[in-house]
Order: sequence, then C-alpha cells, then structure tokens
Amino acid sequence: DAGITQSPRHKVTETGTPVTLRCHQTENHRYMYWYRQDPGHGLRLIHYSYGVKDTDKGEVSDGYSVSRSKTEDFLLTLESATSSQTSVYFCATESGGDDTQYFGPGTRLTVL
Amino acid sequence: SQQGEEDPQALSIQEGENATMNCSYKTSINNLQWYRQNSGRGLVHLILIRSNEREKHSGRLRVTLDTSKKSSSLLITASRAADTASYFCATDANNNDMRFGAGTRLTVKP
Repeated sequence: DAGITQSPRHKVTETGTPVTLRCHQTENHRYMYWYRQDPGHGLRLIHYSYGVKDTDKGEVSDGYSVSRSKTEDFLLTLESATSSQTSVYFCATESGGDDTQYFGPGTRLTVL
Repeated sequence: SQQGEEDPQALSIQEGENATMNCSYKTSINNLQWYRQNSGRGLVHLILIRSNEREKHSGRLRVTLDTSKKSSSLLITASRAADTASYFCATDANNNDMRFGAGTRLTVKP
C-alpha cells in the first residue's frame, strides 16, 4: 500500500455524530483523494486535494468536508453521520507525474 | 455516475486459462487504467493506456483500447489462483476526476 495509512480501519458510530477519518502518506505526493466504495457502484470520488489547503469537490461530496493542513495528511469529516454514509472509504494519492493513484487499505465505517 | 462499465460482472475460470474483461465508457478520455482489488484491501494499479495508444503489455497482462468504440479489454494470460480478485477500469476524462466502474469479480480455480 505504498506508504499510505488510514485510521481508524474500522469504526461504528451512531446517526448524527461527527466522524473524522485520517489519511497519512509518506510519499510526498501532491494529490490526495477520498473515495467511497459501495456494492454495485465501484469507487466514487468524494473530495480531492491538489495541494496544502487546496481542495475540491468530487461526485458525491454532500455531507462530507475535508482538510489538508500539511502535505502528508488529508482528513475526511462527516459532519453529522447518516446511515447512507455506511461504506468503505479509501484514500488515494498521486504524484502528479503519471496519473497513477496509490490506495490506502480502507476504512470500514458503519453508521447505526 | 460511473464512467466505466465492466463486463462480465463475474468470471470463473480454471488455473492456466486466459481471462478477458471488458470495459466500456461514455465520454472522451485522456487515459484508461486498470486496477486490481483483493478482498478487504485497497486497489492496486496494474496498467495505464493513453488515448493515443491501442495496446499495451505488462507481464501476463495485455490491455487494448478502442477509442472509436469507447471500449477497453484486459487480458490475463495463463491465470493463477493468486489472480483471484476484482478488477476495475478507471477513466480519466478531466484532471483529478477519475471514474471507476463497478468491477469484474474474477475467480481462478486451482
């Protein structure tokens, strides 16, 4: 998984609570991404970052926010978790040189 | 919405056989990539083919791209049990907006 870690790896939470997922990379890659993976949908982009403090929305950004205060960390926050946000969340990085993305191991989030 | 659509959704073959998976997409692309995902793990990049390329090889993998038909195929030759995984195509139409298909689940029986 090329120097990309995600924490926590598993989380169970209740509807309405805030949740923050962390992605940490040691590759010094410029770009970082958050995806969610659901059965039948493949991966869908939530938000991405193209540099420190530079972020943009993806395909399914409603209900999510992100922050990137330093190159190595990209945080995904669910402001008020809902059951529809139960999913597996993947972080990915990209150097910017060859369009290849490198994925973390994923975080399985269950919202009850 | 998904950009790439893989076909078939599931494929089961015997070890030593070849496996072919197809991907169709809807809009013009800069490149198309194939990724593998083992159960419970993140995706691993396999191969990238650019829009001006027609075929690319990497070890036992062969990827073709037909931009006129908006389709790509991934061929795994002489498959092994360790090739059992889900395979996804991903298309890059706009910078930083890569769209993944729902994947093909490949099972290689020993």
